[in-house]
Amino acid sequence: EVQLVESGGGLVKPGGSLRLSCAASGFTFSSYSMNWVRQAPGKGLEWVSSISSSSSYIYYADSVKGRFTISRDNAKNSLYLQMNSLRAEDTAVYYCARVSSSSHIFDYWGQGTLVTVSS
Amino acid sequence: QLVLTQSPSASASLGASVKLTCTLSSGHSSYAIAWHQQQPEKGPRYLMKLNSDGSHSKGDGIPDRFSGSSSGAERYLTISSLQSEDEADYYCQTWGTGIHVFGTGTKVTVL
Repeated sequence: EVQLVESGGGLVKPGGSLRLSCAASGFTFSSYSMNWVRQAPGKGLEWVSSISSSSSYIYYADSVKGRFTISRDNAKNSLYLQMNSLRAEDTAVYYCARVSSSSHIFDYWGQGTLVTVSS
Repeated sequence: QLVLTQSPSASASLGASVKLTCTLSSGHSSYAIAWHQQQPEKGPRYLMKLNSDGSHSKGDGIPDRFSGSSSGAERYLTISSLQSEDEADYYCQTWGTGIHVFGTGTKVTVL
């Protein structure tokens, strides 16, 4: 069974940093591209960042470019999101999502971790 | 610019059908999309990938009540025999080079 479990969320002050993790199991993690998607309270889904299976290709939404860094450790079956210079508008539930091996759709999602940026 | 447009809400009675629409922006009518369901207080769940010709492939364990179809730049999700657990937000999603895009979501209410 494919499982994605996010962790690392919490309360942080504006300008602060936080590192999210996503532990993957039930599939060959090193064969799949992964993504981070967020959802602000009461709002829709917003794509944040993508990383290819070997970390060769990395992309960011304009809203986080230069502040967030996506990475992965295939030996540990883990995905990460380093978030720096956090702003109030980064407050959201952050989900990790797997990309299908045959297309670019997100075929499995985690349950999310809440990040609150507030003084 | 790659944009997906969805109506904010839809409703239908228990046991009836509801059809949701996701419209691709101009110049992107050949794109495939995915439909995702988000029940209250839960993470999203992948429903299906839907191609421009209407062919679709569903995720693991998705009931036959969920089906997809296409016409031009429009992509549809039809939920038949509506059940209470189908009350949720539904998002369409597509992708371009180095970018993923979500629609604004449609909230389905089961009457």
